[in-house]
Amino acid sequence: AQKITQTQPGMFVQEKEAVTLDCTYDTSDQSYGLFWYKQPSSGEMIFLIYQGSYDEQNATEGRYSLNFQKARKSANLVISASQLGDSAMYFCAMRVLTSGSRLTFGEGTQLTVNP
Amino acid sequence: GAVVSQHPSWVICKSGTSVKIECRSLDFQATTMFWYRQFPKQSLMLMATSNEGSKATYEQGVEKDKFLINHASLTLSTLTVTSAHPEDSSFYICSARDSDRFNEQYFGPGTRLTVT
Repeated sequence: AQKITQTQPGMFVQEKEAVTLDCTYDTSDQSYGLFWYKQPSSGEMIFLIYQGSYDEQNATEGRYSLNFQKARKSANLVISASQLGDSAMYFCAMRVLTSGSRLTFGEGTQLTVNP
Repeated sequence: GAVVSQHPSWVICKSGTSVKIECRSLDFQATTMFWYRQFPKQSLMLMATSNEGSKATYEQGVEKDKFLINHASLTLSTLTVTSAHPEDSSFYICSARDSDRFNEQYFGPGTRLTVT
């Protein structure tokens, strides 16, 4: 079975600063993918970034980067230069090859960016 | 990125009635779509996996006769909540995986169902 753990129910950051959202995962599969989604108050799930288990370099997408530490089974999301619009719920998710396309989600972290 | 639409975005219905929610992939083909349920301040809970042309696979504890799923084409899946009760009130979200892109999975905007 797969499990995603997000230990930070809430995080606060000042505008323009960087913030790291933690995510650890557990799986016995060797082939898997890790996702981060943003969910604003409107409810829509917005795809942010993806990291494959065999990717040697950390994924980056604009202000988002994924700090992938395979040995520690962690996939932390780093948001640089935070903006007020970044305030939202953030979910880490995992998909393993043997489970098809099913995503397993963490409990989420509520990020608040202060002006 | 790819676009997934859901209709309606919100619906209010009376107990005992049925409600149909549509999920469409607008610019890609999706052999597999997923239906999630989310309660306030909680994570997404997978209800079922919808496969085009075949029966849906339901997660443990999800009543298949209550939550009817049909995936009639590569771009459309529907979720029908039958004989709705107030406890079925929730936020329902669908997602679709682009058949040609394993690394990408997109979500619809969600449907807020309120049963009175």
